[in-house]
Amino acid sequence: NAGVTQTPKFQVLKTGQSMTLQCAQDMNHNSMYWYRQDPGMGLRLIYYSASEGTTDKGEVPNGYNVSRLNKREFSLRLESAAPSQTSVYFCASSARQGSNYEQYFGPGTRLTVT
Amino acid sequence: TQLLEQSPQFLSIQEGENLTVYCNSSSVFSSLQWYRQEPGEGPVLLVTVVTGGEVKKLKRLTFQFGDARKDSSLHITAAQPGDTGLYLCAGRQTGANNLFFGTGTRLTVIP
Repeated sequence: NAGVTQTPKFQVLKTGQSMTLQCAQDMNHNSMYWYRQDPGMGLRLIYYSASEGTTDKGEVPNGYNVSRLNKREFSLRLESAAPSQTSVYFCASSARQGSNYEQYFGPGTRLTVT
Repeated sequence: TQLLEQSPQFLSIQEGENLTVYCNSSSVFSSLQWYRQEPGEGPVLLVTVVTGGEVKKLKRLTFQFGDARKDSSLHITAAQPGDTGLYLCAGRQTGANNLFFGTGTRLTVIP
């Protein structure tokens, strides 16, 4: 049982390049999330998918797109990377246990845009 | 502006000391969670509190949810080096299916 996996673990991009961050979970969770973590800012929600087939914007969606490919997989795409998108990106998933949405996180992708 | 403010932002203490971390908001939450994150890893859930005034204990960690469900605290007794990490609170508002995360408290316990 791998939990939440993310690829790649590290990535360096040049300004204007594009890339897709992959995330998969094997816990049969309905909801999946993408966050970015910057120093002093905690975790900020980029996009989330409450269930297969739906996606919604979070706090900081500009410059990103997402795809909920199936129940297991949720990808994050940067179409034209900018230095301001240098960050650590975390994917998370949650089941609707009661109403608390406890989240399980992947190990993160460390992205640098030069 | 952050919906959840944590204090202090940084805390460095000696092994064996006690400490309290605070998570404050002007908003009401239906539940509040605490996570711990170690360097190079994702956050890991420690506890969820859902009732105003609720107190939960996890070994040497004591979590409390404010009576008005706007704030929470984490108290660690006799801190150990293994407690070192980034502590994050996260709140869920009624009807929402996502969490708002606090700014984090980075704790260092010196042996």
